[in-house]
Amino acid sequence: AAGVIQSPRHLIKEKRETATLKCYPIPRHDTVYWYQQGPGQDPQFLISFYEKMQSDKGSIPDRFSAQQFSDYHSELNMSSLELGDSALYFCASSLRVGNSPLHFGNGTRLTVT
Amino acid sequence: SQQGEEDPQALSIQEGENATMNCSYKTSINNLQWYRQNSGRGLVHLILIRSNEREKHSGRLRVTLDTSKKSSSLLITASRAADTASYFCATYGGGGSQGNLIFGKGTKLSVKP
Repeated sequence: AAGVIQSPRHLIKEKRETATLKCYPIPRHDTVYWYQQGPGQDPQFLISFYEKMQSDKGSIPDRFSAQQFSDYHSELNMSSLELGDSALYFCASSLRVGNSPLHFGNGTRLTVT
Repeated sequence: SQQGEEDPQALSIQEGENATMNCSYKTSINNLQWYRQNSGRGLVHLILIRSNEREKHSGRLRVTLDTSKKSSSLLITASRAADTASYFCATYGGGGSQGNLIFGKGTKLSVKP
């Protein structure tokens, strides 16, 4: 079965640069979530989209933005990168109905130097 | 505020032993979910227990839920080395409404062969 696909798998950027992370949800899933996970930390919710519209917003810095496109793929754009942005970034998708479980991608490991 | 808090933070056991992880949460919920995460990988949904259920089984997993104490436990019986991973409980923010799934701090389980 198709899973959530994230790219790139690894990304190295310098301070103040920008980064774009991509996520391709499971087909027919209507909700996409972005999470940030620092080393040894729990995943922190950033933002979610339902049917291509922003649904909920968590602890997402103003330097970050995200959108979901007509083909349902989503992108997380990160600008003015800081050392503290180094983390694993996960995308997940689900069906909204019935509080369905989230299906996670394998994440993008972002390293800011 | 963190929706779920796990204890212990770390647990080390021998193969064949049982592992019990506990989770507490703060707001009312519709359901509580448990996820597993291998190091550096995406989270994988294990089991969902609804607020009107007290216990649920899935293979070697047993989950209990006590809504009066706002707590849940995950028991893994007859553990295997392959069970080594971090385990997180998660609930939906906003009083159980579908929105963002909030994860607890997680328990890092190490099963020694």
